Amino acid sequence: GQNIDQPTEMTATEGAIVQINCTYQTSGFNGLFWYQQHAGEAPTFLSYNVLDGLEEKGRFSSFLSRSKGYSYLLLKELQMKDSASYLCAPINQAGTALIFGKGTTLSVSS
Amino acid sequence: DVKVTQSSRYLVKRTGEKVFLECVQDMDHENMFWYRQDPGLGLRLIYFSYDVKMKEKGDIPEGYSVSREKKERFSLILESASTNQTSMYLCASSTRDSNQPQHFGDGTRLSIL
Repeated sequence: GQNIDQPTEMTATEGAIVQINCTYQTSGFNGLFWYQQHAGEAPTFLSYNVLDGLEEKGRFSSFLSRSKGYSYLLLKELQMKDSASYLCAPINQAGTALIFGKGTTLSVSS
Repeated sequence: DVKVTQSSRYLVKRTGEKVFLECVQDMDHENMFWYRQDPGLGLRLIYFSYDVKMKEKGDIPEGYSVSREKKERFSLILESASTNQTSMYLCASSTRDSNQPQHFGDGTRLSIL
């Protein structure tokens, strides 16, 4: 089976740090993506993890623990433009498609 | 930059109509995908294709079919549109390498009246 769990909504203030958690249960594991989606727009790629540990990309970092079925996206120095939905998406067992979580809507206020 | 183009941004059709949603990518990607996105349900995979004339069912294929006659084009067909198919439809493409991200089009907001 496959199940992805992430918080529905989060709020934070400009300049802060926020961590968006994702737990997943999939039949196999081939890697995990994070996407950002602004309202009314297409999802855009943020990060990819296949090995345990932290991947850093500027203000955004993503962490993976395969043994725990757990990932998080860390956003530093939050800006208003970071208000968006963040989608956690493990690759399916066959390695052919992504399984998307329902997304976490982040609201950044001044 | 990868460009995934969906033919319409907004579309209004009537119940029972046959509806075609078109998607074209310009990066010679092998894989193409159709999703629908609904509030509270997230992105759900309808169909995908990993080569010309090949197709695989996703999680919610019922009521839909697809066509991939050329590598760059992937069409989603609603054989007989129903109101519960009102949704945002997103097309995506990727290389065959599962480590590479999918690239999405801007979406088609389809309303079935």
